[in-house]
Amino acid sequence: EPEVTQTPSHQVTQMGQEVILRCVPISNHLYFYWYRQILGQKVEFLVSFYNNEISEKSEIFDDQFSVERPDGSNFTLKIRSTKLEDSAMYFCAMQQGREAFFGQGTRLTVV
Amino acid sequence: GQNIDQPTEMTATEGAIVQINCTYQTSGFNGLFWYQQHAGEAPTFLSYNVLDGLEEKGRFSSFLSRSKGYSYLLLKELQMKDSASYLCAVRALSGGYNKLIFGAGTRLAVHP
Repeated sequence: EPEVTQTPSHQVTQMGQEVILRCVPISNHLYFYWYRQILGQKVEFLVSFYNNEISEKSEIFDDQFSVERPDGSNFTLKIRSTKLEDSAMYFCAMQQGREAFFGQGTRLTVV
Repeated sequence: GQNIDQPTEMTATEGAIVQINCTYQTSGFNGLFWYQQHAGEAPTFLSYNVLDGLEEKGRFSSFLSRSKGYSYLLLKELQMKDSASYLCAVRALSGGYNKLIFGAGTRLAVHP
């Protein structure tokens, strides 16, 4: 199973601050996804990223969110001004053939 | 709209067999996944079905009927470590791109 590494594993931030979550796939893939899971709730799609462009985004992915692949390997999710309700696990995922693999997640806590 | 239903909780006995059902109504269906998720961890891929029928993988099997919008995950020879949430997710094709739509998950408790 391909490895998808996310950093940090846990981040605590104050409301209104910007956070950047990072994802590093081991091998070169074109399709990337970000999902989030609020504690006790289901996994929710945020955005898909193909060939260095956003291909689809959900209604959750508003102007406070952005994604980039700044150096061709790292894949980042930025939240510009965090809100309390942004507290969740954020998962990066990549597609390989028929399968979709998740990183271990970043637990974001907004205080 | 997109809707995925699965039971909230199930219990089973170690060594037994359990079937977790999932029904879905989605547009642009492009495959169905099952994931296992332990508390506080990432979902782990279990299976993928895109054609009707049964896919077997060790102790786990997954079935799909596209005409009925129905899938199940079958776990055999249950072990205590199988206690986890099992997530049904549909891959939906939209505008040429895929995304996964998840059900709320079924929390399975395996007891001795």
